[in-house]
Amino acid sequence: AQSVTQPDIHITVSEGASLELRCNYSYGATPYLFWYVQSPGQGLQLLLKYFSGDTLVQGIKGFEAEFKRSQSSFNLRKPSVHWSDAAEYFCAVGVTGFQKLVFGTGTRLLVSP
Amino acid sequence: KAGVTQTPRYLIKTRGQQVTLSCSPISGHRSVSWYQQTPGQGLQFLFEYFSETQRNKGNFPGRFSGRQFSNSRSEMNVSTLELGDSALYLCASSLSGQGAETQYFGPGTRLLVL
Repeated sequence: AQSVTQPDIHITVSEGASLELRCNYSYGATPYLFWYVQSPGQGLQLLLKYFSGDTLVQGIKGFEAEFKRSQSSFNLRKPSVHWSDAAEYFCAVGVTGFQKLVFGTGTRLLVSP
Repeated sequence: KAGVTQTPRYLIKTRGQQVTLSCSPISGHRSVSWYQQTPGQGLQFLFEYFSETQRNKGNFPGRFSGRQFSNSRSEMNVSTLELGDSALYLCASSLSGQGAETQYFGPGTRLLVL
């Protein structure tokens, strides 16, 4: 069965520092992968996605993620965090042939001044 | 292009009642999926509709049902509400429901069951 692991429940980063959020997936076929962000009381906003091709994908708000098949990982990065980035981040794998996403448990990002 | 809209945004019900939530997908999108988000279970897939047909269903009891109309709008219904049904219900739409597609989410309906 498909699964996604986000090992960090909470991460605190100083404003201006770099960020890396970890995501590992388990999926038998070629995965398609997503990162979404959720602000309190809001829905999910797509940050970026990987379907195929270049393993380094760029997203909105200065985020990027790298797909590493050998490590079954799709970590999210940002070189310099802004206070407005404080939110919860979800990694998800799409199940081929179905419009179904399997989500990780999320990582809550706190940004300190 | 307008995004996914969900109504109502907030809802309070009591145990045993039923509730209907509505979702309007992005114009031109024909696939609608529903998810439940709770602090304990996280984000879980409920079901997906395409062309008025339920194509895929998650592991939820039969009290959870849905439907899709010819204009791709979708509703989900929860009957005989339980306290544990308190959650944020998210709807997502995608273009054709074929292959690898991006799902775009609405703001959600927050349901509180008392």
